[in-house]
Amino acid sequence: DGGITQSPKYLFRKEGQNVTLSCEQNLNHDAMYWYRQDPGQGLRLIYYSQIVNDFQKGDIAEGYSVSREKKESFPLTVTSAQKNPTAFYLCASSPDLASADTQYFGPGTRLTVL
Amino acid sequence: GDSVTQMEGPVTLSEEAFLTINCTYTATGYPSLFWYVQYPGEGLQLLLKATKADDKGSNKGFEATYRKETTSFHLEKGSVQVSDSAVYFCALSNTGGFKTIFGAGTRLFVKA
Repeated sequence: DGGITQSPKYLFRKEGQNVTLSCEQNLNHDAMYWYRQDPGQGLRLIYYSQIVNDFQKGDIAEGYSVSREKKESFPLTVTSAQKNPTAFYLCASSPDLASADTQYFGPGTRLTVL
Repeated sequence: GDSVTQMEGPVTLSEEAFLTINCTYTATGYPSLFWYVQYPGEGLQLLLKATKADDKGSNKGFEATYRKETTSFHLEKGSVQVSDSAVYFCALSNTGGFKTIFGAGTRLFVKA
C-alpha cells in the first residue's frame, strides 16, 4: 500500500537534546512538507522540499533542520535551539509543489520535552 | 497574501442534525480549495476538493461548493453521525504558490 509513514509515534526528549523525526513516503511524490500543530491550533509550515537535495524554510523554521538526500525520505531534526518543541508534528507529500494538488499526510509524531 | 478563515469551534450537534462549517478565503488568481479532516491522534486526510469556480466537491455525504463571487467554500452535511466527530480544516492552494494555506480548524462534536 502506498502512503506516508512517520516514526516514532510518541517521542520524549530531555531539554538540550536534539531529536530526529522520520518521514518516509512510497508515493513517488516530488514535494514533501513538515508542519507543526499545537493544541487547538492549525498547521504551521516548518520546511518544505520540492526535489532531492533542495529544501526551503517555511514560516517557523528556527530551531529545526531537515535533509532530503533521497526522494522518499525527509527527516526533521528538532534542535536544542527550538525553545518550545512540545507539539504534534505532521509530515506530508504531494506530487509536486507547483500543481496546487492534494497533500497526503502521515499519522504524525507527538514530541514531548521533559 | 493568501489566507483562509473558518468558523471557530467547537461545534456541538446531535446525531442526524444538519452541519454547516463556514470557510472564506482571500487569494489571487484561481486557487484550488480543499476540506481536510483530522480524527483524534491522527494526521489529516482529504475529505473533498474543488479546483474551479462553481465546482462541487463531495464525499461521504459531505459537500462544498466553490463560490468565487463570495470567496467561500462552506462545508455541509445533511445528517451527521457520531463518527463524524473530528477537526475539519479548510485549505487553499494556488498553482505555482508552493504552499497550501490552512485555516485554524473547526472541532465538531456529535452527540448520540
